[in-house]
Amino acid sequence: ETGVTQTPRHLVMGMTNKKSLKCEQHLGHNAMYWYKQSAKKPLELMFVYNFKEQTENNSVPSRFSPECPNSSHLFLHLHTLQPEDSALYLCASSQPGLAGFSRELFFGEGSRLTVL
Amino acid sequence: EDQVTQSPEALRLQEGESSSLNCSYTVSGLRGLFWYRQDPGKGPEFLFTLYSAGEEKEKERLKATLTKKESFLHITAPKPEDSATYLCAVQSGNQFYFGTGTSLTVIP
Repeated sequence: ETGVTQTPRHLVMGMTNKKSLKCEQHLGHNAMYWYKQSAKKPLELMFVYNFKEQTENNSVPSRFSPECPNSSHLFLHLHTLQPEDSALYLCASSQPGLAGFSRELFFGEGSRLTVL
Repeated sequence: EDQVTQSPEALRLQEGESSSLNCSYTVSGLRGLFWYRQDPGKGPEFLFTLYSAGEEKEKERLKATLTKKESFLHITAPKPEDSATYLCAVQSGNQFYFGTGTSLTVIP
């Protein structure tokens, strides 16, 4: 198994649909992240989970709902999205270092979301 | 305001033509600077971490350096397979701040 696996790789949904993105990491890390990547923009942090507890919610609209059932799995539930939500959604994991330092992020291949 | 700026936005090189990518940052309390490579339609792939000014890391044709205000990614004698977008990120506190990347194209 590769380090961080995301499914589906591509998703097309209407504005009234409900769908979920899934992320699984096989690296033994305790922190997991959702990032949004749009063209010409820096990666935008959405959510952070440390040891299954949400520690960051970067003012993300409620139409995005994360779920972290354990340290290896992370979901992003999507409902009533807008066309401007179309982007590449990246999952990442890291191993917290000493004194609260986070170590490098390891990313999945991403889920390309298109909202019609 | 914490910020990361990468330049140039795009770079075209002939195969074998060495060059450097720049990442300048203004963050308080730098905890680490990270370089990633991203191929089209894929997630970023981790390359290097630098923690303190003067530090250098190398991997094949790539060499990353760090000063108090910026980092350089030097590419020596690049090959077409080095074509990708290179992302820089800095960690301040528990936050990671990413630049918009440099799109590198190496022409055979």
